[in-house]
Amino acid sequence: GAGVSQSPRYKVAKRGQDVALRCDPISGHVSLFWYQQALGQGPEFLTYFQNEAQLDKSGLPSDRFFAERPEGSVSTLKIQRTQQEDSAVYLCASSSWTSGSYNEQFFGPGTRLTVL
Amino acid sequence: AQTVTQSQPEMSVQEAETVTLSCTYDTSESDYYLFWYKQPPSRQMILVIRQEAYKQQNATENRFSVNFQKAAKSFSLKISDSQLGDAAMYFCAYRGSGSARQLTFGSGTQLTVLP
Repeated sequence: GAGVSQSPRYKVAKRGQDVALRCDPISGHVSLFWYQQALGQGPEFLTYFQNEAQLDKSGLPSDRFFAERPEGSVSTLKIQRTQQEDSAVYLCASSSWTSGSYNEQFFGPGTRLTVL
Repeated sequence: AQTVTQSQPEMSVQEAETVTLSCTYDTSESDYYLFWYKQPPSRQMILVIRQEAYKQQNATENRFSVNFQKAAKSFSLKISDSQLGDAAMYFCAYRGSGSARQLTFGSGTQLTVLP
């Protein structure tokens, strides 16, 4: 099925390394979200794209986190100089977009990042 | 800012029995959406049920139903005839109706189904 896919599923990084996490949304979905889920916690919003425009990045925890979606499809979340507190599952979700209406968010399986 | 609280970190239920998971939220908005998501060990977040705040009728999806109390800002999930496959982490989530479309999640309730 053509669901949301994320790669890699698992990533181990040494403290200080840069990492890039990829999200392939459902084809045609305009909206794309990134969430961070710490162990034993609920997901927390990081950033939101509508097509290629990053409309909200209020949840990014520091300037080491950067997200892009240059062609309005695939998105990459980049974390520079990783720290141990960055260890978490990073979830991507996509949805269609209708003004003033509800559109279900479909989630990917996540990338589990472990920073040693 | 909106907050979502799940006060039951863990719950267990006997197979075929009924269990209720609790959720409260805080918001100043009058129109919004509430959700229950299921997250099995595979980590894939799956939507279980959705409630629009303007609807007075409680949402129902097969064995899953909600008790939505808008004035009390309470949104509980009832699972009837529990099955082994229902075992998972359950998250309550909130979304406003405005331009902010991200979800705000609670901390989750781990549900165990006992055979």
